[in-house]
Amino acid sequence: GAGVSQSPRYKVAKRGQDVALRCDPISGHVSLFWYQQALGQGPEFLTYFQNEAQLDKSGLPSDRFFAERPEGSVSTLKIQRTQQEDSAVYLCASSAYRERYYGYTFGSGTRLTVV
Amino acid sequence: TQLLEQSPQFLSIQEGENLTVYCNSSSVFSSLQWYRQEPGEGPVLLVTVVTGGEVKKLKRLTFQFGDARKDSSLHITAAQPGDTGLYLCAGAKDDKIIFGKGTRLHILP
Repeated sequence: GAGVSQSPRYKVAKRGQDVALRCDPISGHVSLFWYQQALGQGPEFLTYFQNEAQLDKSGLPSDRFFAERPEGSVSTLKIQRTQQEDSAVYLCASSAYRERYYGYTFGSGTRLTVV
Repeated sequence: TQLLEQSPQFLSIQEGENLTVYCNSSSVFSSLQWYRQEPGEGPVLLVTVVTGGEVKKLKRLTFQFGDARKDSSLHITAAQPGDTGLYLCAGAKDDKIIFGKGTRLHILP
């Protein structure tokens, strides 16, 4: 597609529920990133894929967070047993380049609210 | 500890005025990017600066990378209501892109 597509745009989850957030990057983009953006803050790095390989997951806040990109295109961020502190906007970005040196194209994000 | 400090946090000015926002760090970055983010949307890349001392212009926006590659500024000339948004700087370091908290800019018509 023309841009990075994320779904759903909004998700309300009850505390303890599992959620899955989807990202469709720009076709052919090698690199894919997930960020978490709390209200009033800048995006915080979660994890990075180069094709299907997860090269960096140092930003995932706990073992309840899991991301995959099995075929090197679509990626899913899964959060198990959601907590209120997980409420945030989850942004996906992709890049045609392997190096993180270059800018990214971001999706519009998924706003997750845990109640 | 915030690796990238942006200032001011908030800025509200009249249409037609000039302004400068800053992005500072004690760390050296291999590149630095500026993004603008509007409510309900993801950040949109404005520019990437790579070389110390580099200046890039994008219409009324002028971006400068510090000589030591630790800081950057964004200057807007004759601000317009369409410039309203959250301006984020992001630095590439140790194979990560790190964002500042942003400057929220509001241009009054």
